[in-house]
Amino acid sequence: LAKTTQPISMDSYEGQEVNITCSHNNIATNDYITWYQQFPSQGPRFIIQGYKTKVTNEVASLFIPADRKSSTLSLPRVSLSDTAVYYCLVGDMKMNRDDKIIFGKGTRLHILP
Amino acid sequence: EAGVTQFPSHSVIEKGQTVTLRCDPISGHDNLYWYRRVMGKEIKFLLHFVKESKQDESGMPNNRFLAERTGGTYSTLKVQPAELEDSGVYFCASSREGSGNTGELFFGEGSRLTVL
Repeated sequence: LAKTTQPISMDSYEGQEVNITCSHNNIATNDYITWYQQFPSQGPRFIIQGYKTKVTNEVASLFIPADRKSSTLSLPRVSLSDTAVYYCLVGDMKMNRDDKIIFGKGTRLHILP
Repeated sequence: EAGVTQFPSHSVIEKGQTVTLRCDPISGHDNLYWYRRVMGKEIKFLLHFVKESKQDESGMPNNRFLAERTGGTYSTLKVQPAELEDSGVYFCASSREGSGNTGELFFGEGSRLTVL
């Protein structure tokens, strides 16, 4: 399982674009990169998943460089409600071989008014 | 579509007592996972069911924890006897199996366990 490293915490202001970068130097060929969001007193919630280049959905964008050793979650125009912990996970999830999906410490994002 | 539901949302028990947590996965999801977050620590994997079979239970802390998924539907996690260090939030997650698996885990709201 590839280990991930992400900043412990980040602050930003409402309306700004927030980029959270995750390092995963030992990512394997079959590994996907997945980001989850967790609010206090709730379970983690899937945000976005990608394998390479760029993925965009209604919530966020995920940028993955060619070497796939890092990825960046981009949240456009954040609001106070985006204050949460964001987890970067790496694993062969689609093939279901990664039974142990590992959560790291995550990045605590605090949005200020 | 109903999400993953967990019961109880919060349980307060004394050391030495028994508690049973229940998880109802999303209908049709064969994969069911239990995770735990102890105060101030990371979310830790406990075990994984595929239908009624335990695929991986390497994260179970010790033999005071027993997980079951009879019939491959809902799952229970029993802690007997509970110790102080068992306090935390227990999360259940489910996902589809095989070709229907998009890699997304659907989590419940968690069951908070407080052992006094």
